[in-house]
Amino acid sequence: GAVVSQHPSRVICKSGTSVKIECRSLDFQATTMFWYRQFPKQSLMLMATSNEGSKATYEQGVEKDKFLINHASLTLSTLTVTSAHPEDSSFYICSAISGRARTNHPYNEQFFGPGTRLTVL
Amino acid sequence: GNSVTQMEGPVTLSEEAFLTINCTYTATGYPSLFWYVQYPGEGLQLLLKATKADDKGSNKGFEATYRKETTSFHLEKGSVQVSDSAVYFCALSDPPGGSYIPTFGRGTSLIVHP
Repeated sequence: GAVVSQHPSRVICKSGTSVKIECRSLDFQATTMFWYRQFPKQSLMLMATSNEGSKATYEQGVEKDKFLINHASLTLSTLTVTSAHPEDSSFYICSAISGRARTNHPYNEQFFGPGTRLTVL
Repeated sequence: GNSVTQMEGPVTLSEEAFLTINCTYTATGYPSLFWYVQYPGEGLQLLLKATKADDKGSNKGFEATYRKETTSFHLEKGSVQVSDSAVYFCALSDPPGGSYIPTFGRGTSLIVHP
């Protein structure tokens, strides 16, 4: 299957700083990427969807000014957690597909990155 | 709206035991159903899927049958191995006409002892 990487795999930062997480599709063009947040022993919560060339669509309750998403190219999306606080500590996972989201297309398999563990002190 | 309910874990088994992880769903349309697996410290991998009623998805010895009448998609394996220890997520997506972004269950942790 296709490969999606994330960098860094884990990061520890001080409260008030900003952290950038990269998500790359290594062997396919990802026209759509998703960012999820996973709390311990809980399921994945979709944060936002980004189609290449357009602004990200955020899920209800997710602060777009807090979690900045940039789909910079067909192989790279970044999530920046601005002014991070301890409650932002979580496991962040990206995924990518080669189709466009929220259209009447047959399901395209999502390929998930390995995740980034963020700890805010 | 759509939702997925999985049995709570952890499920603890001895090697070579039979595995069942229950999953039921509610959906407004005719969803596709999926099982994902997450090994420790890793992202999710698609394990198997079924796109219509009575379809059976299978992979690596795991199976699940799409049961429309009971709105279920239970995951089974006849003989588990220690390497199967992971968290398993049931999910659905509901095309066409709606977003096909999956709705995930809460996940069920499987621990297999030698």
